Amino acid sequence: GQQLNQSPQSMFIQEGEDVSMNCTSSSIFNTWLWYKQDPGEGPVLLIALYKAGELTSNGRLTAQFGITRKDSFLNISASIPSDVGIYFCAGQRAAGNKLTFGGGTRVLVKP
Amino acid sequence: AAGVIQSPRHLIKEKRETATLKCYPIPRHDTVYWYQQGPGQDPQFLISFYEKMQSDKGSIPDRFSAQQFSDYHSELNMSSLELGDSALYFCASSQDNAYEQYFGPGTRLTVT
Repeated sequence: GQQLNQSPQSMFIQEGEDVSMNCTSSSIFNTWLWYKQDPGEGPVLLIALYKAGELTSNGRLTAQFGITRKDSFLNISASIPSDVGIYFCAGQRAAGNKLTFGGGTRVLVKP
Repeated sequence: AAGVIQSPRHLIKEKRETATLKCYPIPRHDTVYWYQQGPGQDPQFLISFYEKMQSDKGSIPDRFSAQQFSDYHSELNMSSLELGDSALYFCASSQDNAYEQYFGPGTRLTVT
């Protein structure tokens, strides 16, 4: 069963807006990863976080590893239409271990 | 850059049939993971291999088995297929048991 609570479940964006999403867990993870998945395709790795408190950027993406090691957030600045998709957080307890995924945040464009 | 290759991309089978999914990891990656993603769901871990040995096992039904071969490719064998097995099956690979996992495009299995 799902151990990571990801929110929001869905959100509408307008071009140029900043968006944020987060993941919380009842247990500790030693690594957090963020993926983006387009319909019918495999998840693509966006950012990996390895240390509690770490703040990492990748272009317009910024992610942080929470101090308690039980949460992480992802920000997308100045959103563009191609940011549409499903974003998943994933926690990992050790290198080479399975990923435990959050439920995903579906990012849609405002009509 | 080379990515994870999965075949076939689409597969349609009938109930009680068998299916074999193949995964070719990124060159020099020695760890392979299999995940199952149902419609509207997040990926769920099935099984993983490191250096051709099973390293972890998740919620994989007994009807499924997998192995990793000497060239590091992996195959997921599924028998006595059920309607509920219809899903996207992803393979991911990593290097030297590292944290980052890179996913393939998936195999969409439809059981009728």
